[in-house]
Amino acid sequence: GENVEQHPSTLSVQEGDSAVIKCTYSDSASNYFPWYKQELGKRPQLIIDIRSNVGEKKDQRIAVTLNKTAKHFSLHITETQPEDSAVYFCAAMRTGGGADGLTFGKGTHLIIQP
Amino acid sequence: GAVVSQHPSRVICKSGTSVKIECRSLDFQATTMFWYRQFPKQSLMLMATSNEGSKATYEQGVEKDKFLINHASLTLSTLTVTSAHPEDSSFYICSAGHRVGNIQYFGAGTRLSVL
Repeated sequence: GENVEQHPSTLSVQEGDSAVIKCTYSDSASNYFPWYKQELGKRPQLIIDIRSNVGEKKDQRIAVTLNKTAKHFSLHITETQPEDSAVYFCAAMRTGGGADGLTFGKGTHLIIQP
Repeated sequence: GAVVSQHPSRVICKSGTSVKIECRSLDFQATTMFWYRQFPKQSLMLMATSNEGSKATYEQGVEKDKFLINHASLTLSTLTVTSAHPEDSSFYICSAGHRVGNIQYFGAGTRLSVL
């Protein structure tokens, strides 16, 4: 089955600086890689995703890059703000022909220091 | 659009009782729904994949007789925790897979506390 590793487990950055979270996956059949933001006691919220036919995707202050050869993908948040503080999860999934569930990384607790 | 409703949000029950959790996709049809469990300060772990009109597929280590899943329609899946014990206390979250892009949208979760 799929295995997703996520680093770091905790990341503290100054407000306004950039934050980068990295994930690796093991199953070359995985082709969909979403990132979720979860605040304490709440549901995961999809913030950005990328598919295996694309190398990079950007949405305002958030970007995701994917290296299929190396099987790793990263989340980049620029100009961080206090409301960015949360736990971020990367995930991997194989779509098509009967969707599988998501395999999540262990999460990164992002702390934005004022 | 793409709203998933999950009820109840919190359950406190006695050991040995059964608890039923509902997951509904409100504005789209979901042929596949997923059930996850999340322990405090940990990640989400997939428990089972719920397919409309067929048996659920359980992940390794998840007891199918303890966690009964029913997916009777394209908008509703239920998870029943049978004979709950304190070690079953956790945050249970469902998600529904949207046909467009297979994006998963999550319910608000159910916090189960078994006394």
